[in-house]
Amino acid sequence: GAVVSQHPSRVICKSGTSVKIECRSLDFQATTMFWYRQFPKQSLMLMATSNEGSKATYEQGVEKDKFLINHASLTLSTLTVTSAHPEDSSFYICSARDFVGTHGFNSPLHFGNGTRLTVT
Amino acid sequence: AQSVAQPEDQVNVAEGNPLTVKCTYSVSGNPYLFWYVQYPNRGLQFLLKYITGDNLVKGSYGFEAEFNKSQTSFHLKKPSALVSDSALYFCAVRDPTRTTSGTYKYIFGTGTRLKVLA
Repeated sequence: GAVVSQHPSRVICKSGTSVKIECRSLDFQATTMFWYRQFPKQSLMLMATSNEGSKATYEQGVEKDKFLINHASLTLSTLTVTSAHPEDSSFYICSARDFVGTHGFNSPLHFGNGTRLTVT
Repeated sequence: AQSVAQPEDQVNVAEGNPLTVKCTYSVSGNPYLFWYVQYPNRGLQFLLKYITGDNLVKGSYGFEAEFNKSQTSFHLKKPSALVSDSALYFCAVRDPTRTTSGTYKYIFGTGTRLKVLA
């Protein structure tokens, strides 16, 4: 089945530094990937849609200069949290759909295992 | 606006008993509905989906869900719960409107924590 790999699983960084999170589709190509943020005991908040070869589409209220998204290939999207602050501490999850696999056009979202970011 | 509601924050059930996790939706047109499960510090795993056809959908790990158009519900069920089913469950619906980049967004419910007691 479709596998989405996310790295790192956990990262601790100091306030003011930048952190890059990678999301890879291992056995399928993903022209679109989605980045979510999950707060404790809360649902998923869609941050942005990452589009291969073009600019990401950000949701309202998400700072594009703060959360830089690059989707340079059909299997890799990266999210960089720039100048991180403690309030950026959260669980970040990426996802993608495999239109060629078992479900075809009705493919569900396949999720990475998430990245727990802690900013000290 | 499209939305998904999971009215229960938590559901407790004894091992071996049937379980139900509720989900209702509001969406224009035909709904594309999904259930996902999340274990601690992990991403979401796909359980099952309803696109069209039979109202009773069977998915992974013995789970099933019943689509009820008149009640706009898509409740998740399992005949006999296992302790290992304890996790966070999310219902989701595909937003029927394409984004400017031509794809579809998914709208998630707030999640229901299932606790299966031994």
